[in-house]
Amino acid sequence: GAGVSQSPSNKVTEKGKDVELRCDPISGHTALYWYRQSLGQGLEFLIYFQGNSAPDKSGLPSDRFSAERTGGSVSTLTIQRTQQEDSAVYLCASSKDRGRGNEQFFGPGTRLTVL
Amino acid sequence: GENVEQHPSTLSVQEGDSAVIKCTYSDSASNYFPWYKQELGKGPQLIIDIRSNVGEKKDQRIAVTLNKTAKHFSLHITETQPEDSAVYFCAASRGTGNQFYFGTGTSLTVIP
Repeated sequence: GAGVSQSPSNKVTEKGKDVELRCDPISGHTALYWYRQSLGQGLEFLIYFQGNSAPDKSGLPSDRFSAERTGGSVSTLTIQRTQQEDSAVYLCASSKDRGRGNEQFFGPGTRLTVL
Repeated sequence: GENVEQHPSTLSVQEGDSAVIKCTYSDSASNYFPWYKQELGKGPQLIIDIRSNVGEKKDQRIAVTLNKTAKHFSLHITETQPEDSAVYFCAASRGTGNQFYFGTGTSLTVIP
């Protein structure tokens, strides 16, 4: 079956511009996560959605970052006024729920380059 | 919050040899420890996991051990093959209702 998909796969933007990154989770998965992976670094948690609950935004690095999840499915991560330090791979993952041991399925990521 | 440290950052082994990657964690309440493999240009993929009520788990050439007292867990890959070359991440979680904390990754290269 279809896995987690993300678009675009690559995005190059100029400093100060806004960008939107899209994630399509696996159908039926109620939990959705966004992570940031900088070069040579681990996965930095950004935000988590679970069903209709308020999202856990504790990982967002600044108020320039925001995310939405419409209809409990597709999610969009928006970065406003991009900075060079925002350059990274942004990964999305989904799972059946956030319960113990539920596997997170990752998408291929969006590589963001801010010039 | 939880702090997960992973070593080594890079590892090269000859094909057929074993590879060991180690992680430590700080939160004694963490009870779920997955390992992910990330190939170039792809997202991480779960390869094995272990829960705190188990000390060791094996799946063919891959095994994971957990020492709750010392707060460390390790990934063991035996009879390594070139296709094992990838970046491996460990993670720790308190389980239900809590996020995963990832290590910084180990780049494994298996030399044919």
